Amino acid sequence: AQTVTQSQPEMSVQEAETVTLSCTYDTSESDYYLFWYKQPPSRQMILVIRQEAYKQQNATENRFSVNFQKAAKSFSLKISDSQLGDAAMYFCAYRSANMEESGNTPLVFGKGTRLSVIA
Amino acid sequence: EAQVTQNPRYLITVTGKKLTVTCSQNMNHEYMSWYRQDPGLGLRQIYYSMNVEVTDKGDVPEGYKVSRKEKRNFPLILESPSPNQTSLYFCASSPTRENYGYTFGSGTRLTVV
Repeated sequence: AQTVTQSQPEMSVQEAETVTLSCTYDTSESDYYLFWYKQPPSRQMILVIRQEAYKQQNATENRFSVNFQKAAKSFSLKISDSQLGDAAMYFCAYRSANMEESGNTPLVFGKGTRLSVIA
Repeated sequence: EAQVTQNPRYLITVTGKKLTVTCSQNMNHEYMSWYRQDPGLGLRQIYYSMNVEVTDKGDVPEGYKVSRKEKRNFPLILESPSPNQTSLYFCASSPTRENYGYTFGSGTRLTVV
């Protein structure tokens, strides 16, 4: 079974600075997808960025970018020019591209990193 | 607007009193799933559904039931809630074979006393 590990329960960053959140995963598969979700105090789960494992190019969405190292099974999220609205819980997640026998393709989540932004 | 609608957002109930959390999506997604979120544990899958009348257990199904009579609806049923089911619950949906992750509902904070 796949596992996702976020080794930093909490992090903080000064406004306008850059912060990197770490994520590692364990899988024997070669085809999969990786995601970062943001959960602000409103509790809504918001997709921040996604990465297909077969793509070598790192995904970028405005101030958010990833460093995807497939061989190392690492998928870190970099937030540039941090803003107060970036304060949230961030979850890294894995989804297999291959259906289980049951047809299930669950998102497997890490335990999250709580990011604080200091004004 | 494409969305997953969950109700209620907050619910306090007593042990043993049956309850249902509703979930509806307007994106014609085949795949739907329920997760619970607990501090320090992240999100864990309770049940999922591949399509109408096709449901199966996830990682933590004990004490829960689901049904999928229509494609858009996927209610979560707690027949006899217990305090260890106090949690934050999310419904989510996605197309079956896409890589867009899930679209999540806004969550239901359930407290069982």
